[in-house]
Amino acid sequence: AQSVAQPEDQVNVAEGNPLTVKCTYSVSGNPYLFWYVQYPNRGLQFLLKYITGDNLVKGSYGFEAEFNKSQTSFHLKKPSALVSDSALYFCAGRYYGGATNKLIFGTGTLLAVQP
Amino acid sequence: GAVVSQHPSRVICKSGTSVKIECRSLDFQATTMFWYRQFPKQSLMLMATSNEGSKATYEQGVEKDKFLINHASLTLSTLTVTSAHPEDSSFYICSATDSSGGETQYFGPGTRLLVL
Repeated sequence: AQSVAQPEDQVNVAEGNPLTVKCTYSVSGNPYLFWYVQYPNRGLQFLLKYITGDNLVKGSYGFEAEFNKSQTSFHLKKPSALVSDSALYFCAGRYYGGATNKLIFGTGTLLAVQP
Repeated sequence: GAVVSQHPSRVICKSGTSVKIECRSLDFQATTMFWYRQFPKQSLMLMATSNEGSKATYEQGVEKDKFLINHASLTLSTLTVTSAHPEDSSFYICSATDSSGGETQYFGPGTRLLVL
């Protein structure tokens, strides 16, 4: 079965330190992978996506993610965390050539950045 | 660009009444829109896929007569929760993909429904 996993319910990091939010996928074929961020009582905001090409993808607000096919991972990273980055982060995927463009979501990771 | 709006943002209704939620793509045309439901501290659960001019495709376990979806134009989809009950209280989020072929789903801000 196709799935996206976020193994950490919560990630704590001090402001100014690098952050990583982990995501692994099990999607058949060539996957399309996405990261979204959700602030309290808000919808999801698109951060970045991997479709094809360069494995390192740069997105909004200084975030980037690296597609690693051998490890089936798509971890979200930022060199220096801000308190305002504190939010719920979702990884999502779908496979290329699917009959529909439905997304499969991970369970979400709460990022808490301490001042 | 790629802005999706939802209305209302919050709604409180009595049990047994129906509630309509609108989802609009403001600056692009959306052939396909999606409706999700999110429970507190949980991920998004896809309820249905809405295609302009055709019937919605519902996920397994979602009652199509309970959650009526209409996608009458390329910029508007509506979700009507019929005869709402307290267990329907939730956060409902829509998303849309650009009909020009984009892969990204853009999400609305969500609608908080509370059924008393």
